[in-house]
Amino acid sequence: GAVVSQHPSWVICKSGTSVKIECRSLDFQATTMFWYRQFPKQSLMLMATSNEGSKATYEQGVEKDKFLINHASLTLSTLTVTSAHPEDSSFYICSARREASGQYFGPGTRLTVT
Amino acid sequence: QQQVKQSPQSLIVQKGGISIINCAYENTAFDYFPWYQQFPGKGPALLIAIRPDVSEKKEGRFTISFNKSAKQFSLHIMDSQPGDSATYFCAAGVDSSYKLIFGSGTRLLVRP
Repeated sequence: GAVVSQHPSWVICKSGTSVKIECRSLDFQATTMFWYRQFPKQSLMLMATSNEGSKATYEQGVEKDKFLINHASLTLSTLTVTSAHPEDSSFYICSARREASGQYFGPGTRLTVT
Repeated sequence: QQQVKQSPQSLIVQKGGISIINCAYENTAFDYFPWYQQFPGKGPALLIAIRPDVSEKKEGRFTISFNKSAKQFSLHIMDSQPGDSATYFCAAGVDSSYKLIFGSGTRLLVRP
């Protein structure tokens, strides 16, 4: 158990457009999900904490108006990168917290902005 | 205070050998210490985790050793295999807040 999926697995978009990434916990409910960003050969950088039914909590330096997070149900959180630019190109990974078990990660989404 | 320092940055081990990765933390409020394994282009996978009330936890070939007084913990991979070649991340968090702070990662290469 504890499977987390992400969709899409990769996406290419043009500069100025918006991209939505979905994160789903497939076999458990998650009141809390997290969104990370990872640059090549670097560690995971926490962007925000997504709480079901309430506003996301963003880490310092992360623009909340650029990275819109919605956690509409106990199994789905979405990250929308608005007005994407080449510097937003990165590997975006979500995780979901399973009670008394730990934090489980999705497979990641590779975003390339041209 | 929030940092988790991980070493070494990279590690090469012969097949059958022991791989050891170390992490250190400063925040004494941390009470949850997981290790993750990540293959290229994939998300991290939870390997094993420990809490401060035990000094060692073993799952198969993976063992976490925890030294609360030194604020250090380490991952030992016994009988390392080429399939273990991946990047390993330690992390630390306060369980009640759910947030994790990740180490910088260790790229492990196990030679056949």
